Amino acid sequence: EVQLVESGGGLAQPGGSLRLSCAVSGFTLSNVWMDWVRQTPGKGLEWVGRIKTQTDGGTSDYAAPVKGRFVISRDDSKNTLFLLMNSLKTEDTALYYCRVWMNKSDYWGQGTLVTVFS
Amino acid sequence: EIVMTQSPATLSVSPGERATLSCRASQSVSNHLLWYQQKPGQSPRCLIFGASTRATGIPARFSGSGFGTEFTLTISSLQSEDFAVYYCLEHSAWPYTFGQGTKLEIK
Repeated sequence: EVQLVESGGGLAQPGGSLRLSCAVSGFTLSNVWMDWVRQTPGKGLEWVGRIKTQTDGGTSDYAAPVKGRFVISRDDSKNTLFLLMNSLKTEDTALYYCRVWMNKSDYWGQGTLVTVFS
Repeated sequence: EIVMTQSPATLSVSPGERATLSCRASQSVSNHLLWYQQKPGQSPRCLIFGASTRATGIPARFSGSGFGTEFTLTISSLQSEDFAVYYCLEHSAWPYTFGQGTKLEIK
């Protein structure tokens, strides 16, 4: 059974940092591209970024609002995806999901809530 | 960035009736279009990919159509579990973008 479990969310102050993790099971992480998506009541669903497999270069792409501040990485040996969030802003407050597409469907975690407040 | 516009924002339909939801792209996305369903407290679930192909395990009452800039999600006979929020997502160009959602409510 495919499972994705996010963790690491919580409270942070503007300018601070948080690192989210996404532990996966039921598939081989090294074979798939992985995504981070966030959701807020006001802005709805927003793609944060993606990371390719090492075979495809292992590079990441980011949405404009987070580019230069967020870093996606992966540890395939530990079946874990990461999202390092730096220079946090109040508008980064959201529920953060990790997501994977495979086998003609996609799979999401339950999300981890990040709240940035001063 | 491609802008996805969904209509209507809210759709009221009776159980057993047909629901038609629309999604428009600001420029062509070919068939790189997915439809999602999201219920309160749950993660989004993919219903349709490639604009018209049902994802694994999705009932046949869900169908998608369209190409380029105009897309439609049709639910042929609404069941109680279908009342939810529906989103379209284009993945033709980075960054991928979602529509703002259509809330399907019981009439």
